[in-house]
Amino acid sequence: KQEVTQIPAALSVPEGENLVLNCSFTDSAIYNLQWFRQDPGKGLTSLLLIQSSQREQTSGRLNASLDKSSGRSTLYIAASQPGDSATYLCAVGISGSRLTFGEGTQLTVNP
Amino acid sequence: KAGVTQTPRYLIKTRGQQVTLSCSPISGHRSVSWYQQTPGQGLQFLFEYFSETQRNKGNFPGRFSGRQFSNSRSEMNVSTLELGDSALYLCASSLSPYSGGEETQYFGPGTRLLVL
Repeated sequence: KQEVTQIPAALSVPEGENLVLNCSFTDSAIYNLQWFRQDPGKGLTSLLLIQSSQREQTSGRLNASLDKSSGRSTLYIAASQPGDSATYLCAVGISGSRLTFGEGTQLTVNP
Repeated sequence: KAGVTQTPRYLIKTRGQQVTLSCSPISGHRSVSWYQQTPGQGLQFLFEYFSETQRNKGNFPGRFSGRQFSNSRSEMNVSTLELGDSALYLCASSLSPYSGGEETQYFGPGTRLLVL
């Protein structure tokens, strides 16, 4: 059974800091890995998708890496802003559109 | 292009009742998945529909069911509601999830269900 773990559970940083969120998964047989953000009481917004054959993806200030062999992914956020405050969720695709999610990292960026 | 829409956005029911939630995917998307989100269990996969067929099912009791129509719109039904069914129900759509893992999933805003 695939299990996804995210560390840390919560993170508070001052504005402008670079930060790394971590995600680990137990079964390397994945289709892809996606990072989402969720604002309180809202749905999920897709940030980045890394296919199983890829090593990383970048979008603006975000960079996500994938190491299938070690079962790890990181989300790097450069020059954090208060608007980045949200819960960040890592999800692995294992079959079709079925995703297994981690518990999330709650990020607070203080002005 | 309009995003994924879910109706209703909020719902209050009592134990024992049944409820039907609706999801309209992004135009052209053929896959719809449903998830339950609770503070204790996080996000858990319910089921996936593609071309009107259930392709995957999560570990939920038979009280949870769904279907997909020819226009890709999907509904999920929960019968005999229990207090523990209170949750945010999210649906997601994608173009075709069987194309090698390159398809991003787009989530709707969710339906918040409260069971009293």
